[in-house]
Amino acid sequence: AQKITQTQPGMFVQEKEAVTLDCTYDTSDQSYGLFWYKQPSSGEMIFLIYQGSYDEQNATEGRYSLNFQKARKSANLVISASQLGDSAMYFCAMRGPGAQKLVFGQGTRLTINP
Amino acid sequence: NAGVTQTPKFQVLKTGQSMTLQCAQDMNHEYMSWYRQDPGMGLRLIHYSVGAGITDQGEVPNGYNVSRSTTEDFPLRLLSAAPSQTSVYFCASSFGGLTNEKLFFGSGTQLSVL
Repeated sequence: AQKITQTQPGMFVQEKEAVTLDCTYDTSDQSYGLFWYKQPSSGEMIFLIYQGSYDEQNATEGRYSLNFQKARKSANLVISASQLGDSAMYFCAMRGPGAQKLVFGQGTRLTINP
Repeated sequence: NAGVTQTPKFQVLKTGQSMTLQCAQDMNHEYMSWYRQDPGMGLRLIHYSVGAGITDQGEVPNGYNVSRSTTEDFPLRLLSAAPSQTSVYFCASSFGGLTNEKLFFGSGTQLSVL
């Protein structure tokens, strides 16, 4: 069975600082995908970044990067130069082979202070 | 370019009432799914479908029915609403079921059962 754990229920960061949101996962599969989604207060789910289990380099998308440490089974999201608009709920998720579902963590609520 | 469309956005039911949450996508995606989001629990899979005429249960299927008569539509039926079904419901789709395929989400339905 697959499991995602996000241990930070809430984080508070000053604007323009970098922030790391933690995500650890558990799976016995060799092939899997890791995703991060952002959910602002308006409620929609916004895809941020993807990392494949066989990808040798960490994924990057603009200000977002994924710190992928396969041996430690961690997939932390790094947001550089945080902005007020980054305040939101962030979910880490995993999709395995057979790939019939995305397994989500409990989420981390990020608040950016001016 | 609508993507995934969910209706209604808000709904209040009385215990024992039935209703259908609608979901439609215009991206010709084979995979469609329903999630519920509860505080502190992330998103949990209710039912999913890998193509027209094919559905299967997810993590929390009790009290819900689905059908998939067309590629575009995947309605979720609450048979006899209970207060425990108060939640935010998301429909999501992807082209297929590969590990690298992100899900596209609808805007969500906030359901309250009194």
